[in-house]
Parts: sequence; structure tokens; C-alpha cells
Amino acid sequence: GQNIDQPTEMTATEGAIVQINCTYQTSGFNGLFWYQQHAGEAPTFLSYNVLDGLEEKGRFSSFLSRSKGYSYLLLKELQMKDSASYLCAVKDSNYQLIWGAGTKLIIKP
Amino acid sequence: ETGVTQTPRHLVMGMTNKKSLKCEQHLGHNAMYWYKQSAKKPLELMFVYNFKEQTENNSVPSRFSPECPNSSHLFLHLHTLQPEDSALYLCASSQDSGGGETQYFGPGTRLLVL
Repeated sequence: GQNIDQPTEMTATEGAIVQINCTYQTSGFNGLFWYQQHAGEAPTFLSYNVLDGLEEKGRFSSFLSRSKGYSYLLLKELQMKDSASYLCAVKDSNYQLIWGAGTKLIIKP
Repeated sequence: ETGVTQTPRHLVMGMTNKKSLKCEQHLGHNAMYWYKQSAKKPLELMFVYNFKEQTENNSVPSRFSPECPNSSHLFLHLHTLQPEDSALYLCASSQDSGGGETQYFGPGTRLLVL
């Protein structure tokens, strides 16, 4: 079967750095997405990786290793507004998105 | 604001009611999706429409009936639902349903079935 694993919940301190990991086993690979979802709101697109390596976008970076079936989302200089769920999703060989259950990130002052 | 709107935002219905969820996208996309999001579970893809044609139906019970009159509008008709159908229903759109296109989500309809 197809599976995306990510931690259920993480806690970090304002101003610090946090890394949210995602591992996947899918039938084929056509890219990996990270989304942010604040409680009661729509998931919003953060990043897309299709080649190995690090993609940096401001305070957020996303890394992909296709050989290891692994990605992480790195958040720097954490702010209270970063408290949200972070969803990892992989496009399989049929271009269907397979979703993880999300990681709830709690930021403490 | 993602360019995808959904109404209503909240809905409470009995098991014998019939209701419809509406989604509209203002992004000029050709693909639209319905997802179900339950607490602490991955998003479940329900239906996919590409150029108004249904291309995916992930074994969804017939009490959920989608309708896509044009590329900008998507409906989900609900009837004789069960309490376990209570969830957040999300609509999304993308340029098309293949490739690496990003999906853009609406804010969802929070559904409670009594």
C-alpha cells in the first residue's frame, strides 16, 4: 500500500528552528508537496520538490531525498503565527496526491 | 484568500436531510477536487473533475453525489448521510489533474451529521 509518515505533533520555541520530517512509500513519484493549514482554514501551498536537494523560500526550506523516500520542512526564526498543521503529500505514478495525516506544530513563547 | 470559495462554511444536518455544498474557483483552472478531512487522518480524495469530466471516484458511497456544471463550479450533493460522515469537506482546484500542478484549497465546509 501507499503510505506517508510524519510526526503527529511537535513543539518548538519562538525564534528557534524546527525540522518536520516526512517519509513516504508510494507507487511511483512525481513530486512532493508541503502545505500549511491553520485551524479552521484552507491548506495553503508552501513548497514543491521533484528533484533531490534543498529548496529555500524565505524562512521555510524543504529538502528531498528520493532514494531514501524522505523529505523535511525546515522552519527558521519561528513566529507564533507558524503554529499550524503541516501536511506532506506525494504525487504517485498516477499523479494522484497521497497525503500524510499532518504534523501539528505548537510554538511557545 | 486562495481564489477558491466554499459555501456554506458550517452545516448541521439530520440523517434524512438533503443538502448541497458549493465550490467556486476564480483561478481559471480546469481541474477540481473534493476531499474529506477527518481529525488526525490524512485527506481522503473523493472525486476529481478535469475539464468538467469526472476522472476519479475513490469508492465514495452513493449518498455523496458530485456535480460539475463547468470548470469553475463544483457541487457535492448530500443525502441520507451517517454520523461518521461528519468532517471537514475541502474543495481544491489546479491547472489540470496531471503533472506537478499545485492544488489550491478552499476554506472547507464543516459538516455535522446528527
